[in-house]
Amino acid sequence: AQRVTQPEKLLSVFKGAPVELKCNYSYSGSPELFWYVQYSRQRLQLLLRHISRESIKGFTADLNKGETSFHLKKPFAQEEDSAMYYCALSGRGGTSYGKLTFGQGTILTVHP
Amino acid sequence: NAGVTQTPKFQVLKTGQSMTLQCAQDMNHEYMSWYRQDPGMGLRLIHYSVGAGITDQGEVPNGYNVSRSTTEDFPLRLLSAAPSQTSVYFCASSGAGDEKLFFGSGTQLSVL
Repeated sequence: AQRVTQPEKLLSVFKGAPVELKCNYSYSGSPELFWYVQYSRQRLQLLLRHISRESIKGFTADLNKGETSFHLKKPFAQEEDSAMYYCALSGRGGTSYGKLTFGQGTILTVHP
Repeated sequence: NAGVTQTPKFQVLKTGQSMTLQCAQDMNHEYMSWYRQDPGMGLRLIHYSVGAGITDQGEVPNGYNVSRSTTEDFPLRLLSAAPSQTSVYFCASSGAGDEKLFFGSGTQLSVL
């Protein structure tokens, strides 16, 4: 069975400080990993996915297959980064489309 | 550009009542899914569909029914509401060959 674990329910940092949201997964095959974000009064939306290898809003995430982790990082947090962050996993293609396994979520608060 | 539309936004039910949560998308997406969001548990998949006429169960399907008669619509039915179904419900869709989910704005359901 596939599982995603986000060990921190709450994470607080000050503006300008580095931030790392942890995500660990278990999956027997080759997964696709995602980070979704939900800002206050907005819809849940995709932040980034590992296959794109892109940086969105200053955030990056590297898939570490050895440690089965996909931690989300940003070197300098901004107040507008305050939100709920979900790590999610999908099996590659086929019948896995539209079916994600989500972690428990981490609420990030960036203080001024 | 509506995307994924969910109605109603809020609903209060009494135990044993039935209701249907509506979901419609205008992006011609093949894949649609329903998730529930509970504190400390993240989002859990209830039911999903890979196309009109095809549905399958997710992680927590008990107490819920779905059907997919058109590409656009994917309603979720609660047959006999229970307090354990108090949650926030999200509908999502994705296109063929793409793992990116587009979410609706959610339905907050309370069962008394």
